[in-house]
Amino acid sequence: ELKVEQNPLFLSMQEGKNYTIYCNYSTTSDRLYWYRQDPGKSLESLFVLLSNGAVKQEGRLMASLDTKARLSTLHITAAVHDLSATYFCAVDPVDNYGQNFVFGPGTRLSVLP
Amino acid sequence: GAGVSQSPSNKVTEKGKDVELRCDPISGHTALYWYRQSLGQGLEFLIYFQGNSAPDKSGLPSDRFSAERTGGSVSTLTIQRTQQEDSAVYLCASSFNNYGYTFGSGTRLTVV
Repeated sequence: ELKVEQNPLFLSMQEGKNYTIYCNYSTTSDRLYWYRQDPGKSLESLFVLLSNGAVKQEGRLMASLDTKARLSTLHITAAVHDLSATYFCAVDPVDNYGQNFVFGPGTRLSVLP
Repeated sequence: GAGVSQSPSNKVTEKGKDVELRCDPISGHTALYWYRQSLGQGLEFLIYFQGNSAPDKSGLPSDRFSAERTGGSVSTLTIQRTQQEDSAVYLCASSFNNYGYTFGSGTRLTVV
């Protein structure tokens, strides 16, 4: 059974600082997705990573995928308050591609002034 | 449509009543998913539809839950004899190929 973990689960950081959120998963996959959820809202797609070594960047966020380590990172550069949200990674298991993704528990990020 | 549409956005129901939640996916998206999110929690997979194939119902928590997808488009999730533990946000998503899910805005269900 595929398990997806995120670290940390809660993160409070000051504006202007850098930090990394980690997403580990337990079985083979080369498809990983990052989503953002604002309080009371639905999930918004951030990044789609479809191969080993994939790196995507959007503004102050950068995501990468290492399929050999079964690890994805979401790096935050010079955080601003607007980035406060919960971030989920989701893995598409290789033996069941296209069927249900398995989501991590989410990382709740608070960026303080 | 331009996005995944869910209705109603909020539903308050009495314990023991049946409810129906609707999802209208993005046109052309062959896959449709239902997830449940309890307050402050992650996403729990419920059911998955792909084209005309038999749905994957492995995530449905009990036989009170059922879903159908008519004509490969609109889906309805039905919860019979609702219980308080059914209170959650029910999220629908659709997808096409490998580009991940597009989520609807969800239905917040409160069972009182």
